[in-house]
Amino acid sequence: AQSVTQLDSQVPVFEEAPVELRCNYSSSVSVYLFWYVQYPNQGLQLLLKYLSGSTLVESINGFEAEFNKSQTSFHLRKPSVHISDTAEYFCAVSFHNNNDMRFGAGTRLTVKP
Amino acid sequence: DAGVIQSPRHEVTEMGQEVTLRCKPISGHNSLFWYRQTMMRGLELLIYFNNNVPIDDSGMPEDRFSAKMPNASFSTLKIQPSEPRDSAVYFCASSTGTSADTQYFGPGTRLTVL
Repeated sequence: AQSVTQLDSQVPVFEEAPVELRCNYSSSVSVYLFWYVQYPNQGLQLLLKYLSGSTLVESINGFEAEFNKSQTSFHLRKPSVHISDTAEYFCAVSFHNNNDMRFGAGTRLTVKP
Repeated sequence: DAGVIQSPRHEVTEMGQEVTLRCKPISGHNSLFWYRQTMMRGLELLIYFNNNVPIDDSGMPEDRFSAKMPNASFSTLKIQPSEPRDSAVYFCASSTGTSADTQYFGPGTRLTVL
């Protein structure tokens, strides 16, 4: 079965602390991996994605994620968070053999002053 | 580019009424997706179209829901009759049509069924 699991539904952290949001997937075919972010009262928007090549991908606002094939993971990290990073983060997987994209349940990141 | 456009942004209706949600995808995009988001169930894919043809509607909850894409620039999601449990935020997204492509989401329609 093909699925995406986000292990933490809520992650509270203090400003300037590091954070890791965890994502694992299961698939019998090759995958593409995505992280989307949803700010309050908005639609989802792409944060970063892994298609091929270097397993470490970065976003323009300091987030990074590493594709680990052996552990079937794609965890999202940021070394120092800001208040403005407060949002819900969704891990998503699409499969090479079709156009279907599966989203995880989401992790609500709350950055406190 | 205007992005994905959805209307209305908010809809409040009474149980039993028909509701129609509208979506205009990004020009040139070949795939269109309808999602529903609730606190209880998270983000659910309802249906997606490729080149205006419905490809997978297995997520449509029941016969009360229907979706159409009469042309490349317009899609509708209809609920008839609506029920309180249909209350949710409905998102439309579009992409260029391959599994490697980013999906671009609209701002959503917040539906409340009383």
